[in-house]
Amino acid sequence: GAVVSQHPSRVICKSGTSVKIECRSLDFQATTMFWYRQFPKQSLMLMATSNEGSKATYEQGVEKDKFLINHASLTLSTLTVTSAHPEDSSFYICSAPRGGLTEAFFGQGTRLTVV
Amino acid sequence: DAKTTQPPSMDCAEGRAANLPCNHSTISGNEYVYWYRQIHSQGPQYIIHGLKNNETNEMASLIITEDRKSSTLILPHATLRDTAVYYCIVRVSLNRDDKIIFGKGTRLHILP
Repeated sequence: GAVVSQHPSRVICKSGTSVKIECRSLDFQATTMFWYRQFPKQSLMLMATSNEGSKATYEQGVEKDKFLINHASLTLSTLTVTSAHPEDSSFYICSAPRGGLTEAFFGQGTRLTVV
Repeated sequence: DAKTTQPPSMDCAEGRAANLPCNHSTISGNEYVYWYRQIHSQGPQYIIHGLKNNETNEMASLIITEDRKSSTLILPHATLRDTAVYYCIVRVSLNRDDKIIFGKGTRLHILP
């Protein structure tokens, strides 16, 4: 079964509004989680590293004021897309490495459509 | 930047072995080769990883050349459900906090 869960799986919002996406590790604690964005027919692009209890680390070119990341607990990280625009429409995916294992687990993704 | 090169797409007949190549000519001695796949509209799924020895699990086999500059992922009996984008990735270590940087991957089509 899934060990990393994202919610919602699909969301449609109006331009100018904000959308929050949740990423949960289901049966393990994750001090670090990763957020990716994927446009159609393209690969996953790392946006930021979410660190429990501290500020997120953003990749070059990713606006931290637009993509707010909060990692308030060891099992939950949230990505908020603020003042969303149609160009923010994309597939957003989170990942959480699980201690003691060598592979990272990925959420099922959230498809955001901004109209 | 991704440190791997893969063909953009491949076809394979159902029931046959699918062999997906990956070049990683600049791989360092402490870097592992990982393979993930992404079925349409889903998150990536871990397949297998290795350092220098060949590896096999219930999903696939990984063959790494002696000089470690390339590898091949083998799906022994491909099914339609194996249609996906396959990503070959090199990572510095097994440190759980290491970022995973994806390249463009290979889009594998399994033909009935």
